[in-house]
Amino acid sequence: EPEVTQTPSHQVTQMGQEVILRCVPISNHLYFYWYRQILGQKVEFLVSFYNNEISEKSEIFDDQFSVERPDGSNFTLKIRSTKLEDSAMYFCASSPGTFSNQPQHFGDGTRLSIL
Amino acid sequence: QKEVEQNSGPLSVPEGAIASLNCTYSDRGSQSFFWYRQYSGKSPELIMSIYSNGDKEDGRFTAQLNKASQYVSLLIRDSQPSDSATYLCAVNNDYKLSFGAGTTVTVRA
Repeated sequence: EPEVTQTPSHQVTQMGQEVILRCVPISNHLYFYWYRQILGQKVEFLVSFYNNEISEKSEIFDDQFSVERPDGSNFTLKIRSTKLEDSAMYFCASSPGTFSNQPQHFGDGTRLSIL
Repeated sequence: QKEVEQNSGPLSVPEGAIASLNCTYSDRGSQSFFWYRQYSGKSPELIMSIYSNGDKEDGRFTAQLNKASQYVSLLIRDSQPSDSATYLCAVNNDYKLSFGAGTTVTVRA
């Protein structure tokens, strides 16, 4: 069964450094998403992406965050200058996108630890 | 703010029993609803989707939706130890999922 893949599985970074999280969505899916989950808290929406542009973003997704689809398969999340509070699990998801109600399928996540 | 609330856990059930999970949502215009299972340290795994009022059954899982009451539930029949996990209710609003905090279920043998 097709799946969303994320790399790396764990990223350790010094505060203030830039980090790029990578995702390969399911191949025929059109909508891509990033969510994060701080330890012990709920899963929170960050951003949705369609047709090479951001569809919607949350208030968490400030100027320090950016997303990009650099080629036909990868979808990346960049955090420009990391803060301690960016430590979390980051999940990429994708959906077919034909209708807004279709399920989103999640990757295994990247655990980001900021020191 | 579109809120999704779940009944607080943890919920402990004996093996073979029914686990009942509840969820309410604030946005009356929401059209699609999902239950995800999340094992500790893992990603959310889709187990059920429901779009219309009433019941939807898939194996040992039954989802129930009541849009008038803004209420979604999940029943797990014949609970197994492998069902021990956190169950997340998620509501889709314009391609964005809003999640509840989750209910942790422990199935004791």
